[in-house]
Formats: sequence, structure tokens, C-alpha cells
Amino acid sequence: DAGITQSPRYKITETGRQVTLMCHQTWSHSYMFWYRQDLGHGLRLIYYSAAADITDKGEVPDGYVVSRSKTENFPLTLESATRSQTSVYFCATTTGNYGYTFGSGTRLTVV
Amino acid sequence: GESVGLHLPTLSVQEGDNSIINCAYSNSASDYFIWYKQESGKGPQFIIDIRSNMDKRQGQRVTVLLNKTVKHLSLQIAATQPGDSAVYFCSDLSGGSNYKLTFGKGTLLTVNP
Repeated sequence: DAGITQSPRYKITETGRQVTLMCHQTWSHSYMFWYRQDLGHGLRLIYYSAAADITDKGEVPDGYVVSRSKTENFPLTLESATRSQTSVYFCATTTGNYGYTFGSGTRLTVV
Repeated sequence: GESVGLHLPTLSVQEGDNSIINCAYSNSASDYFIWYKQESGKGPQFIIDIRSNMDKRQGQRVTVLLNKTVKHLSLQIAATQPGDSAVYFCSDLSGGSNYKLTFGKGTLLTVNP
């Protein structure tokens, strides 16, 4: 099916562990984004990518790493998870003509 | 830094009434605005957008109004239905921002039957 998919939908991990959240799109859109959503903060941009092998920091990048070796994939890695990274993570993509599409989200709990 | 904010965090309306959700933005360079609807457990869904060269745009049961003078936009939902219950976010974008949206904190709309 065409679209943007995130995996896993739910993840529980321990403090200090590395965890990777996956994002895959079927359209080959240039721009991809990772947001986190926390109560009281709305959606905050973590990292974004303008094209394969081009990534840049957003508003809250500390503790996260991204890569974009292929246009369709944009994984987000928490190198050493902390409790403050418990959140809902959304991946999004746009064609560059302002049409944005969001994934269904990954709910991450760090214990 | 500049941000997009909302006047009210919650709004409760009766089914059939019209709803108005307000949003203030601070970036005078913003030239594109999008309203999103987010239902529980789902990602944000596009509702309607408006460019800065417009004052008003209408969709199906929804209207967005933009007042650039006071940096304010609103989302009007006509004949609100229980299925409209959700969190609504405004977002803005400025040219040259690499398509990075800035989101407000959201307004929870509850529609009472």
C-alpha cells in the first residue's frame, strides 16, 4: 500500500539501551521529518532530511541520531535511551509542494 | 524563538453548533498555514491550508480565516459532529525554512451529543 509506515507501533525499552524507530515511505518524497509529541508541548521537530544523505537538526535533536541512506527510509535512533525520551514519535514526509503526510506514530516508553 | 500558539486549550460544543478554534502566530515571515486534526492514537491529518496571500479559504464544513495584521488564524467547523472530536493543531511555514512546520500546542475539541 502506498503511504508512510512507522514501526514498531509500541516499544518499551530500558534506560541506556539503544533503540531504532523506523519510517518508510512509498512515494520517494524528498523531505522527511521526525517529530516527538509530548503533553503540553505539541509536536516538536527532532531531525529532518531534505534528500538522501542530507540531514539536519531540528528543535530537540539531543540524544537522537538519524540516517538517510535511501530516499524511502528515515530511521531514528536513540543511542542511549533516557526516561525523558518517553514520547510518541511521528514521522512525516512532504513532496515539497506543501502536502504533508504523517505516519501513525510510535509510542515509546523508557523504563 | 518564534512559535505558533493557541488561545484556548479546550473547547466543548454541542452537536450541530459551529466551532471556532483560534491560533496566533508570531513569525511575520510565515507564508503558509495548515490546520491538522489528530484523533486519539493517530497521526495528524490535514484539514485545510491557506497561503498568506489569502484571507479566507473554505473546504467541506471547514473555513480558515487569516488575519495577517494581527497574526491570527482561525478554523471554523460548521455543524459540528461527534466525529469532529479531536485535537486540532495549527502550523506555519516560512519560505526558506526547508519545509519545517512549526506547530502550536493544540486545542482539544469535544462535541457533546
